[in-house]
Amino acid sequence: GENVEQHPSTLSVQEGDSAVIKCTYSDSASNYFPWYKQELGKGPQLIIDIRSNVGEKKDQRIAVTLNKTAKHFSLHITETQPEDSAVYFCAANRPIGLIFGTGTRLQVFP
Amino acid sequence: NAGVTQTPKFQVLKTGQSMTLQCAQDMNHEYMSWYRQDPGMGLRLIHYSVGAGITDQGEVPNGYNVSRSTTEDFPLRLLSAAPSQTSVYFCASSYSNQGRETQYFGPGTRLLVL
Repeated sequence: GENVEQHPSTLSVQEGDSAVIKCTYSDSASNYFPWYKQELGKGPQLIIDIRSNVGEKKDQRIAVTLNKTAKHFSLHITETQPEDSAVYFCAANRPIGLIFGTGTRLQVFP
Repeated sequence: NAGVTQTPKFQVLKTGQSMTLQCAQDMNHEYMSWYRQDPGMGLRLIHYSVGAGITDQGEVPNGYNVSRSTTEDFPLRLLSAAPSQTSVYFCASSYSNQGRETQYFGPGTRLLVL
């Protein structure tokens, strides 16, 4: 069936370093790929998304890349800060709603 | 706008009890959905609705019922709680179900079934 694989499950970086989270999806009909950030005790919040007609999108320190041929998309966070520490989820659309990856816990150490 | 609100924040149930998790949104969104979040499994879709009076099953619907009598409200009912339903439940809404719009999530309800 449809699925989204997300790696790594945990990621620790030093403040100022970059972080990369990768996802792979299975449904070739998916054409919308959002990324959500979830802080402790809160609901997920959209931080960036990309649609299938572009290969890259950037918003300040975060960027997402998409390779539709390989069915890969990635989140890149540059110049990480302690407040970037959270769980990040990738997702892909399907007719009934989003399908989510299993999440990456990012820890940024000062 | 309050966005998506959920009540209660936390609930403890005994096996076999029933309860309703409330969800409301004030953004006039047509599409609403319920997810459960379990460690290591991400968010899984329980039920969804594309408009008032229309509901359908997601990936993990067993043991749950929903209804959508108004655009604003989308309650989730646990018919006979089981320990396997211990989870964090999130309600979400978006303008439509074209699958290309931002979904807004509520703060979640943490449920413990003993």
